[in-house]
Amino acid sequence: GAGVSQSPSNKVTEKGKDVELRCDPISGHTALYWYRQSLGQGLEFLIYFQGNSAPDKSGLPSDRFSAERTGGSVSTLTIQRTQQEDSAVYLCASSSQGVQETQYFGPGTRLLVL
Amino acid sequence: DQQVKQNSPSLSVQEGRISILNCDYTNSMFDYFLWYKKYPAEGPTFLISISSIKDKNEDGRFTVFLNKSAKHLSLHIVPSQPGDSAVYFCAASALTGANNLFFGTGTRLTVIP
Repeated sequence: GAGVSQSPSNKVTEKGKDVELRCDPISGHTALYWYRQSLGQGLEFLIYFQGNSAPDKSGLPSDRFSAERTGGSVSTLTIQRTQQEDSAVYLCASSSQGVQETQYFGPGTRLLVL
Repeated sequence: DQQVKQNSPSLSVQEGRISILNCDYTNSMFDYFLWYKKYPAEGPTFLISISSIKDKNEDGRFTVFLNKSAKHLSLHIVPSQPGDSAVYFCAASALTGANNLFFGTGTRLTVIP
């Protein structure tokens, strides 16, 4: 079946602009995660959605970052007033329930802020 | 503060030999550990996991060992194949009360034909 998809695959933007990154999880997966990987770093947790529960936003690095998940499926990560340090690969993952289940990752969106 | 550490950024191994990738963690609440494999331009893919009630889990050529007292785990690949060349990430979680995995910085494995 279809895996996790993300769009765009690459995004180049100018400092100060807003960007939106999209994630389509595996159909039926109730849990959705956003991570980012900066150069030379491991994956850094950003936000977690589980069903209709309030999202766990504890990993968001600043209030410029926000995410929503509409209808329990597609998720959008928005970064406002982008900064050069936001440059990273943004990865989305989904799992059938929660962290106890295997997370399946999308290919990521490579964001470059000039 | 990095709670999961992979201190070797890279490893080269001859085809057919054993590859050993190491991972250390600091949080004693972690009770579930995973290894992910990542090829360029792709997302990480799940490889193997182990819970803290076990000290070894094997799946084909891949074996994960867990030493809770040392807060250390390792991934053994034997025999190594050129297709195993990738970046390997160690990840950990506390299954109760945690919503996310904590990842190491990865080890790039190169298997030389």
